[in-house]
Amino acid sequence: QVQLVQSGAEVKKPGASVKVSCKASGDTFTNNAIHWVRQAPGQRPEWMGWINAGNGKTKYSQRFQGRVTIMRDKSATTAYMELSSLGSEDTAMYYCARVTTAHDGFDIWGQGTMVTVSS
Amino acid sequence: QSVLTQPPSVSGAPGQRVTISCTGSSSNIGAGFGVQWYQQVPGTAPKLLIYENKSRPSGVPDRFSGSKSGTSASLAITGLQAEDEAEYFCQSIDISLSGSYVFGTGTKVTVL
Repeated sequence: QVQLVQSGAEVKKPGASVKVSCKASGDTFTNNAIHWVRQAPGQRPEWMGWINAGNGKTKYSQRFQGRVTIMRDKSATTAYMELSSLGSEDTAMYYCARVTTAHDGFDIWGQGTMVTVSS
Repeated sequence: QSVLTQPPSVSGAPGQRVTISCTGSSSNIGAGFGVQWYQQVPGTAPKLLIYENKSRPSGVPDRFSGSKSGTSASLAITGLQAEDEAEYFCQSIDISLSGSYVFGTGTKVTVL
């Protein structure tokens, strides 16, 4: 059973970028589809994009296209999400989550990384 | 814009049955994409309760059940317990948004 452990909380200034990591263990890393979902305080989760950990192919939400980059390091069994041009509206909890080949649900989640954007 | 719409809140006494609706459209639920349901307790990540409309992952009590009809889906909780008090979200995929994963507006379940 795969486990996902994320990097710690971040505080950034407007206009900066943030990079969050998600380390996978307990399963063959390259068998997984790792997604990124964020949730602003009191709001519903919002899907940002995903990466096929095996071949590195990515797909992004139109809402974040051009501002988000998802990548992975197979040797480190870690996925990363980088979001640029941060604004206060990007203050949120950022989660990585796995989707299996069996269905389109997020069955395993990281613990979340709080990103605060403040001047 | 809300792609998947849920009632803001539902409540019930311990032991009762409550249902949560998730209303979509022909570009998501009605297009044949599966519906998932998540439970989220404050301060924690969402937990998958139901996948592919009605299937339960291992470890999820059978008090939770899901169904789908047309462009809508429902989650039912029978034998409501205090520990079920949480926020619940539905989720599907929307082809009008280039195959994006979309979440419902969320429903707060309160155990009276």
